[in-house]
Amino acid sequence: EAQVTQNPRYLITVTGKKLTVTCSQNMNHEYMSWYRQDPGLGLRQIYYSMNVEVTDKGDVPEGYKVSRKEKRNFPLILESPSPNQTSLYFCASSLSPASYEQYFGPGTRLTVT
Amino acid sequence: GQNIDQPTEMTATEGAIVQINCTYQTSGFNGLFWYQQHAGEAPTFLSYNVLDGLEEKGRFSSFLSRSKGYSYLLLKELQMKDSASYLCAVRVLPSGGSYIPTFGRGTSLIVHP
Repeated sequence: EAQVTQNPRYLITVTGKKLTVTCSQNMNHEYMSWYRQDPGLGLRQIYYSMNVEVTDKGDVPEGYKVSRKEKRNFPLILESPSPNQTSLYFCASSLSPASYEQYFGPGTRLTVT
Repeated sequence: GQNIDQPTEMTATEGAIVQINCTYQTSGFNGLFWYQQHAGEAPTFLSYNVLDGLEEKGRFSSFLSRSKGYSYLLLKELQMKDSASYLCAVRVLPSGGSYIPTFGRGTSLIVHP
């Protein structure tokens, strides 16, 4: 089944404790991205990747890192999480940067205390 | 950046028709998307318009007027399962090589019997 998977789905952590949210897709998509969704603000793009070893900042990259060592995986790293990073995070992928349909993962609900 | 405006909430009756509007202000327009998102779930792609006119897909249709910076999503024969948030997103021509879509805040549609 074609899908985007994320782990963990739920995470409660404390300020400053490094964490990684994994994202994987099995559709051989070139383009992957991370979003955060907050009430009243909509989906905002954090980082994106156009292919292996090619990543760039989206609208709200501060406090986040990403890597793209393999085509299928695009982990999101929070080196020192803070409470303002409490949010619902979505990974998404599409065949190419110009593709009009993005496939979203199920989401990761992160709480930083 | 892009400014996208859509109503926060709408209610409608099962079996009826509802139109969700989206207005935007942007330069370098390269397409408008509609996504459906049920509470606690990932967004799923509904439609993509890049040229003026109406695109019909089953019970859902999407319209675009580029000169007016206006789109709407039309849902016919409403069903209870259509209760969800509907996200309008605009994409612009790439600067630096990527298309980054900007999402509106979403319209929460409540369908009642």
